[in-house]
Amino acid sequence: EAEVAQSPRYKITEKSQAVAFWCDPISGHATLYWYRQILGQGPELLVQFQDESVVDDSQLPKDRFSAERLKGVDSTLKIQPAELGDSAMYLCASSPQAGPFYEQYFGPGTRLTVT
Amino acid sequence: KQEVTQIPAALSVPEGENLVLNCSFTDSAIYNLQWFRQDPGKGLTSLLLIQSSQREQTSGRLNASLDKSSGRSTLYIAASQPGDSATYLCAALPQGGSEKLVFGKGTKLTVNP
Repeated sequence: EAEVAQSPRYKITEKSQAVAFWCDPISGHATLYWYRQILGQGPELLVQFQDESVVDDSQLPKDRFSAERLKGVDSTLKIQPAELGDSAMYLCASSPQAGPFYEQYFGPGTRLTVT
Repeated sequence: KQEVTQIPAALSVPEGENLVLNCSFTDSAIYNLQWFRQDPGKGLTSLLLIQSSQREQTSGRLNASLDKSSGRSTLYIAASQPGDSATYLCAALPQGGSEKLVFGKGTKLTVNP
């Protein structure tokens, strides 16, 4: 069964350092999502891609976060510099297309700890 | 703005018990309502998705219902097992505006052997 892949699974970094997360969606899925989940909360959308284009990044803190999906396949989310408040689970999801009739499939997540 | 609430935040039951998890949402204008399972430190696994035109969905021992008029959904788990222990999240997909999944904070379920 096809799955969304994410790496690394765990990352510990010091504040002010740069960190990057990678996501490989299910093959053929045009829509890719990055979510942030703070402990004890539900996930919140950071950015949504349709192919290589950003559809929604309204909740992405653009002063320190960046995301790209250059070839419309895999994606990288970067934080520079990391802050203590960035400690969270970063989840990637994909769906065949955007819209309400397509289910999102989530990856295992990357647990970030900023010290 | 759509808000999703899940009560209780945590629930502990003995094995074999039937149980109900609750999810409420403030705006009935939704496309669908989805239930997820999340094991500690892991990603989300989709359990059931109910379209706005549907009243319920079933998968094995799980049954989810949707009442848009009252802004409520329930997840019924029959004959609970220790392996059901996890956090259960519901998410609503609002119509209009930003069509982004809005998640509740989840209910942490512990099934004791």
